[in-house]
Amino acid sequence: GDSVTQMEGPVTLSEEAFLTINCTYTATGYPSLFWYVQYPGEGLQLLLKATKADDKGSNKGFEATYRKETTSFHLEKGSVQVSDSAVYFCALSNANTGNQFYFGTGTSLTVIP
Amino acid sequence: DTGVSQNPRHKITKRGQNVTFRCDPISEHNRLYWYRQTLGQGPEFLTYFQNEAQLEKSRLLSDRLSAERPKGSFSTLEIQRTEQGDSAMYLCASSRDQGSSPLHFGNGTRLTVT
Repeated sequence: GDSVTQMEGPVTLSEEAFLTINCTYTATGYPSLFWYVQYPGEGLQLLLKATKADDKGSNKGFEATYRKETTSFHLEKGSVQVSDSAVYFCALSNANTGNQFYFGTGTSLTVIP
Repeated sequence: DTGVSQNPRHKITKRGQNVTFRCDPISEHNRLYWYRQTLGQGPEFLTYFQNEAQLEKSRLLSDRLSAERPKGSFSTLEIQRTEQGDSAMYLCASSRDQGSSPLHFGNGTRLTVT
């Protein structure tokens, strides 16, 4: 069935460092891909999405490109801030197999000043 | 857009008791989802409604866990005869009825079974 595999954490970076969080997926057809972020004490929020191959989602300096050839949707940011400290979840939804969303296990990011 | 609202925020109950949680989705959203999240894990799918129809249920929804959305607006999740393993964060999300519409999550209900 459909699934998402996400880079395990926790990840600790210094402010202004480059961030990559890896995400790969397994799905039939053409799923939509998402990154969600969960700040401490808050609910999950959509960070960005991409709905077809080669699409790039971007928001708040974060980017991810839908790579069908490698079944990947890696999250990147060129210069992280302390305020980016959160848990990041990769997710997919696939109309071919119903409309449920599948989430990765989450990657905890801590940015230190 | 007032967001997805979940009540209560926290619930502590003794093993064997029944609990019910409520979710009010964003008003124009037809789809409503329930997920369960335990520490260090991603959300696990429980069930999904389109309007009042329950279209999918995971095997996590057992004879003890059930969900309803009787009028296609708010939804309730009931856990009967709670067990310590039911301790988790229960998340509700809603979305528009369009193929790639993202989920909008509430802040969740944290259940602790003692």
